Amino acid sequence: DSGVTQTPKHLITATGQRVTLRCSPRSGDLSVYWYQQSLDQGLQFLIQYYNGEERAKGNILERFSAQQFPDLHSELNLSSLELGDSALYFCASSLRPGRGLTQETQYFGPGTRLLVL
Amino acid sequence: LAKTTQPISMDSYEGQEVNITCSHNNIATNDYITWYQQFPSQGPRFIIQGYKTKVTNEVASLFIPADRKSSTLSLPRVSLSDTAVYYCLVGDISGGYNKLIFGAGTRLAVHP
Repeated sequence: DSGVTQTPKHLITATGQRVTLRCSPRSGDLSVYWYQQSLDQGLQFLIQYYNGEERAKGNILERFSAQQFPDLHSELNLSSLELGDSALYFCASSLRPGRGLTQETQYFGPGTRLLVL
Repeated sequence: LAKTTQPISMDSYEGQEVNITCSHNNIATNDYITWYQQFPSQGPRFIIQGYKTKVTNEVASLFIPADRKSSTLSLPRVSLSDTAVYYCLVGDISGGYNKLIFGAGTRLAVHP
């Protein structure tokens, strides 16, 4: 158990809908990351927050948005869902961003499996 | 644009040493190289991290040449439980914004 929690575990929805995925980082961690992993695909970095501020951004679609709240939990909002958005969405946390982008060890949650029908 | 390249898959037998290499030609100057392990339907788990030369911990070693354009994860005496996908992670600061690049992953199968 990494200490990172994600809800819900599974989500089934229809095309065009909007969903919100929630992540609670490990106690004491200030940085949160979001990743998308499609079937048989690698991990695609979406976005990173540190203490409420956006720090790094990957290939995140404009239909997707995220934020980190004062209590440090984070939400990833996916709107106008398409079939291709079906994937496993992981949240990870680290103590702080570190000197470089990857210096800090990331602890991953169990993921939210999204199925768009 | 930083891009990482890893072998898609590897096979090994219990007790053997496994070396997985990741190439990352455009790694950011001040960034580290990190390797993660992932089992099916689970989140990735940290294995090892380094900046240059060699790093060793209780589960693996990481070799990084002076030019830092590649790195090699070494798993000594693998067991069946090491069957998993292994990813290297580097940072990229090109294009005016920062992002993290995971390799496509190497699927390691350990056989009895």
